[in-house]
Amino acid sequence: GDQVEQSPSALSLHEGTDSALRCNFTTTMRSVQWFRQNSRGSLISLFYLASGTKENGRLKSAFDSKERRYSTLHIRDAQLEDSGTYFCAAESTGNYKYVFGAGTRLKVIA
Amino acid sequence: GALVYQYPRRTICKSGTSMRMECQAVGFQATSVAWYRQSPQKTFELIALSTVNSAIKYEQNFTQEKFPISHPNLSFSSMTVLNAYLEDRGLYLCGASRGNSDYTFGSGTRLLVI
Repeated sequence: GDQVEQSPSALSLHEGTDSALRCNFTTTMRSVQWFRQNSRGSLISLFYLASGTKENGRLKSAFDSKERRYSTLHIRDAQLEDSGTYFCAAESTGNYKYVFGAGTRLKVIA
Repeated sequence: GALVYQYPRRTICKSGTSMRMECQAVGFQATSVAWYRQSPQKTFELIALSTVNSAIKYEQNFTQEKFPISHPNLSFSSMTVLNAYLEDRGLYLCGASRGNSDYTFGSGTRLLVI
């Protein structure tokens, strides 16, 4: 079946630094969505992309528009409140079924 | 805006009993509803996808006999975990979509089995 490979699995950042998460897809995907799961388990949608890039504050996401086989989430100037587990989920063409990556546990330290 | 409410937020059931959870879409028509389970320390596994005017499609390892789902209209869905056992514990998420669009997820129902 469709697979989503997310990396890294865990990440520790100092406040003020930048980093990037990545999801590779084993097949061409129609769209990708990025989430942050908070400590209570709720999924907060960060970005939905069918192509190109989107930016929101210190977060920026990109979806490879050519082969549609990977997506990235960039975090700029990391803050303590960015800590949490980040998931990407991608939908292969036409089936409306989102497959989740394994998640990245991000910890931002002072 | 588009919101999805799930209830209960948290529930405990005895091993071998059943538990029903509900999902309500507000502000949009939920053409597709997907139910996921996040087992402890794991990612989200798709249980089934329900699309209006189509049969509910269950993923491998999940069956209608164990996780019957109802999607009677464009704003509501429910799922029951029948004969719950320890391995069924986790966070059950409902995601709803207009179709051909992004998913909005609820806060989940956390199931503990004792």
